Amino acid sequence: GAVVSQHPSWVICKSGTSVKIECRSLDFQATTMFWYRQFPKQSLMLMATSNEGSKATYEQGVEKDKFLINHASLTLSTLTVTSAHPEDSSFYICSASKGGDSYEQYFGPGTRLTVT
Amino acid sequence: GQNIDQPTEMTATEGAIVQINCTYQTSGFNGLFWYQQHAGEAPTFLSYNVLDGLEEKGRFSSFLSRSKGYSYLLLKELQMKDSASYLCASMDSNYQLIWGAGTKLIIKP
Repeated sequence: GAVVSQHPSWVICKSGTSVKIECRSLDFQATTMFWYRQFPKQSLMLMATSNEGSKATYEQGVEKDKFLINHASLTLSTLTVTSAHPEDSSFYICSASKGGDSYEQYFGPGTRLTVT
Repeated sequence: GQNIDQPTEMTATEGAIVQINCTYQTSGFNGLFWYQQHAGEAPTFLSYNVLDGLEEKGRFSSFLSRSKGYSYLLLKELQMKDSASYLCASMDSNYQLIWGAGTKLIIKP
């Protein structure tokens, strides 16, 4: 199998606070993890790609100081939304890749963030 | 630029067959993915094509024509649970997925 979990599944926070979202690969080692954001009725938007032990590569337009990514181990990556604002409210989804010849991305269940 | 086109919405009848088309233009090509996404949930993998032709997997089949930059997902014997969005994604030369906006499939009894 290839199971990816995310925690929390949903979170409500006040404007100006920070929120941390965890992404874990439960039964495999993830060479690469991806963080996506999805607004209602829109497609997935890649925010950043992270490899274990190295700095994340952010997509154009994504503020790296606002969306902090830490890929501390081969099974865990975290996304911290700092000083969250209502416009950061979205569905955040992580995915993980086994690497090598496997290009498939295994998705976590997503985290619904609402900033009030 | 890179672009993925697929219809926004399709409607089909339970028990019927539906074909969802996708055209892509990416910098390089390392395969075409189809994912299913139910509302409020994360995408789940359906298929991966890197060579031309048809790949059949149960009720779902996926076709690829690299020369035409074209793929389709074929769903047979439609069931109500197949109501979902279907996302087409092309993997570019950097092995990055370029996502389409998704096709919302509505199944009617």
